[in-house]
Amino acid sequence: EVQLVQSGAEVKKPGESLKISCKGSGYTFSTSWIGWVRQTPGKGLECMGLIYPGDSDTRYSPSFRGQVTMSVDKSTSTAFLQWSSLKTSDTATYYCARPATLVSAFESWGQGTLVTVYS
Amino acid sequence: YVLTQPPSVSVAPGETARITCEAANIGSKLVYWYQQKPGQAPVVVMFYDSDRPSGIPARFSGSNSEDTATLTISRVEAGDEADYYCQVWDRTTDHVFGTGTKVTVL
Repeated sequence: EVQLVQSGAEVKKPGESLKISCKGSGYTFSTSWIGWVRQTPGKGLECMGLIYPGDSDTRYSPSFRGQVTMSVDKSTSTAFLQWSSLKTSDTATYYCARPATLVSAFESWGQGTLVTVYS
Repeated sequence: YVLTQPPSVSVAPGETARITCEAANIGSKLVYWYQQKPGQAPVVVMFYDSDRPSGIPARFSGSNSEDTATLTISRVEAGDEADYYCQVWDRTTDHVFGTGTKVTVL
């Protein structure tokens, strides 16, 4: 069974850095894209980008390029999403999700990580 | 690439709910649909325009033509109340989600 388990909720102040994680199991981690999806309070879903663990090829959605960094650690089957300087507008729930292929639907989802940024 | 959905659809139990997803020439793309209940992660309810994943009732069906993709829920039940999102993959912007539709069962 494919499982994606995300790190716990975070509360941060503006300007702080943050790295959240998503650990995959039940499939070959290095040969499957992982995507990150943002959901702001009461709003819809936005794909931030995808990363291919095999070679760390990254594809950032235009709105998020330069705002976040995606990375992986193949040795622990874990994907990461990080910010160098958080803004209050980064307050959202962040999901990692796995498509069967780059162009497929996100078939498996993590449970979500709530990030709250306030001063 | 913007996918436009109606903000809300209300339907009585046993009736049919139709959720649209509009975009220029969406009929040339593969459309996926997700159901999201409060406090939960989204779940795929339709692949490749009209293929149902295992475990999704046959009451759910999909179609896609020209500028509109449609998710149809027949014989609506109280448990179908949720937010629904369409999604496509576009070579320019990768994965794009629709604006979302809240389905309310009256």
